[in-house]
Amino acid sequence: DAGITQSPRHKVTETGTPVTLRCHQTENHRYMYWYRQDPGHGLRLIHYSYGVKDTDKGEVSDGYSVSRSKTEDFLLTLESATSSQTSVYFCAISTRGGNTGELFFGEGSRLTVL
Amino acid sequence: QQQVKQSPQSLIVQKGGISIINCAYENTAFDYFPWYQQFPGKGPALLIAIRPDVSEKKEGRFTISFNKSAKQFSLHIMDSQPGDSATYFCAATLQGGKLIFGQGTELSVKP
Repeated sequence: DAGITQSPRHKVTETGTPVTLRCHQTENHRYMYWYRQDPGHGLRLIHYSYGVKDTDKGEVSDGYSVSRSKTEDFLLTLESATSSQTSVYFCAISTRGGNTGELFFGEGSRLTVL
Repeated sequence: QQQVKQSPQSLIVQKGGISIINCAYENTAFDYFPWYQQFPGKGPALLIAIRPDVSEKKEGRFTISFNKSAKQFSLHIMDSQPGDSATYFCAATLQGGKLIFGQGTELSVKP
């Protein structure tokens, strides 16, 4: 089983503060993803990475940045958190290559922005 | 054009019945179509997937039907059980690794 650890699992913060969510994988999978999940919207892709220092934007990338300096870690940063970024954030990895769409998801990080 | 539209939003089925969830897309560049199942408080988990050159794929009680000309695909859950109660997402993959999800269907199977 692919191992993904998301941290923190829960966070409450205030509008305007920066927030960083971390996704750590225990294997050397190339593709990693950050999604947000909101009622009525399903899962929306924020950013994804196809290698160290190789990232690309998803559907809802405004207000978010990512970094991947090591294969195992993919960081999502909210530069200045807003209430609209209150959501559950999921990290995922592609265990069979980037084109299959067969992703393994973490347990999620619930972020509340007051 | 990158959207995947999913219906219905919610579905109630009696135990033993057939659950049917439909998805439609516009972008012909999508080249793989997985379905995910999500239980409350958990991340989505891959359920079954199909390539566009296949019209049907069956795994146990779960079947995907794919209509390339209509740009539609659907998930059928035969003999639905209370343990199947979950949220189901269809998705579509673009080359380069992007996976786009539908809005989700909340399935409730009544005993």
